Amino acid sequence: SQQGEEDPQALSIQEGENATMNCSYKTSINNLQWYRQNSGRGLVHLILIRSNEREKHSGRLRVTLDTSKKSSSLLITASRAADTASYFCATDPSNDYKLSFGAGTTVTVRA
Amino acid sequence: DGGITQSPKYLFRKEGQNVTLSCEQNLNHDAMYWYRQDPGQGLRLIYYSQIVNDFQKGDIAEGYSVSREKKESFPLTVTSAQKNPTAFYLCASSDRVGADTQYFGPGTRLTVL
Repeated sequence: SQQGEEDPQALSIQEGENATMNCSYKTSINNLQWYRQNSGRGLVHLILIRSNEREKHSGRLRVTLDTSKKSSSLLITASRAADTASYFCATDPSNDYKLSFGAGTTVTVRA
Repeated sequence: DGGITQSPKYLFRKEGQNVTLSCEQNLNHDAMYWYRQDPGQGLRLIYYSQIVNDFQKGDIAEGYSVSREKKESFPLTVTSAQKNPTAFYLCASSDRVGADTQYFGPGTRLTVL
């Protein structure tokens, strides 16, 4: 069963704009991860945030985690055409050892 | 796609046939996973393995089988019992099962004719 759910399902932005997507989950977690998938390819790990962290940065990526609301957000700043991809959140429920992936947000960056 | 290879990239199968998808990793990871992805959906876990000669069913194991005879290899067989096998199959590995980052292969697209 899917633990995480991304919002919105799809997002279209102009190059240079910021893109924000959200992930909500149902049960308590050990950590939350974000992955990127280019069309027809495998997933690539972007960032992991632990349950005791509130914010994390990696290059143009900023991830927040609010465990009281059971939600996370991924912000991509100054987007580029190469950021066009689907983005998935994955949670590791604290009573389980398997990652659970959401359905993803498809981001299109227009030149 | 890191140190994980999957073959073939595209696979066509006639109804009633079993097919085996290959997954190899050279990352020295203990844990390996198989996921299924359908259009517009997230990944669903088929099987995972924490160590050689051990594997566990995931959320949608029916109609699939796996083996883990070597640390670097985790082949998936899609049997004729799988009612709707057309999908994109992804293999992944991690240092250990659980919270660790997973590294994915490039995927195999299986189409049943």
